[in-house]
Amino acid sequence: DADVTQTPRNRITKTGKRIMLECSQTKGHDRMYWYRQDPGLGLRLIYYSFDVKDINKGEISDGYSVSRQAQAKFSLSLESAIPNQTALYFCATSDFESGYGYTFGSGTRLTVV
Amino acid sequence: KQEVTQIPAALSVPEGENLVLNCSFTDSAIYNLQWFRQDPGKGLTSLLLIQSSQREQTSGRLNASLDKSSGRSTLYIAASQPGDSATYLCAVVPNAGNMLTFGGGTRLMVKP
Repeated sequence: DADVTQTPRNRITKTGKRIMLECSQTKGHDRMYWYRQDPGLGLRLIYYSFDVKDINKGEISDGYSVSRQAQAKFSLSLESAIPNQTALYFCATSDFESGYGYTFGSGTRLTVV
Repeated sequence: KQEVTQIPAALSVPEGENLVLNCSFTDSAIYNLQWFRQDPGKGLTSLLLIQSSQREQTSGRLNASLDKSSGRSTLYIAASQPGDSATYLCAVVPNAGNMLTFGGGTRLMVKP
């Protein structure tokens, strides 16, 4: 099994729908992150969490929310999806023991029509 | 604000060549630097992690160096193979926080 698992792998949804992307990890890392990747714009940070009770906005948090259900689970929600949220979404983890090296999931390709 | 730049943006080489990918960053106060590989539409695979106190890391045919004072890192790929074709991303973790800042990537094509 992968260290960082994202579900679903692909998703097509309609404008205005609420959608949740899920991430779980077996690394035991305390820190978890959500990034989105767009062609020409690189990877941008949406939200990050340093532990279950510590959640912070990244550079592009508008239109998104997150929930850290447990140390191993961090979900990203789009409250009302819009077409410009079409992107590749990545979850990542890190912690002090790993020298803050990041481990990424395989990504969720989201298309909003 | 930390900025990370990768040059070249794209590179095409024949199989067997040794090659160097460059990464520069504007603020030398970094905690670590990490090189990733990304295949089209896929996730990021960590290749090498260099802590700020280290000068280089090696893994197989890959060698990454770090010069904090000049704000530079290089990824050296020896004896390139078609399977090395991918986008290579450099990213730094600043001392002041823990949020990875990425370069734009170098898209590498190794021709048989």
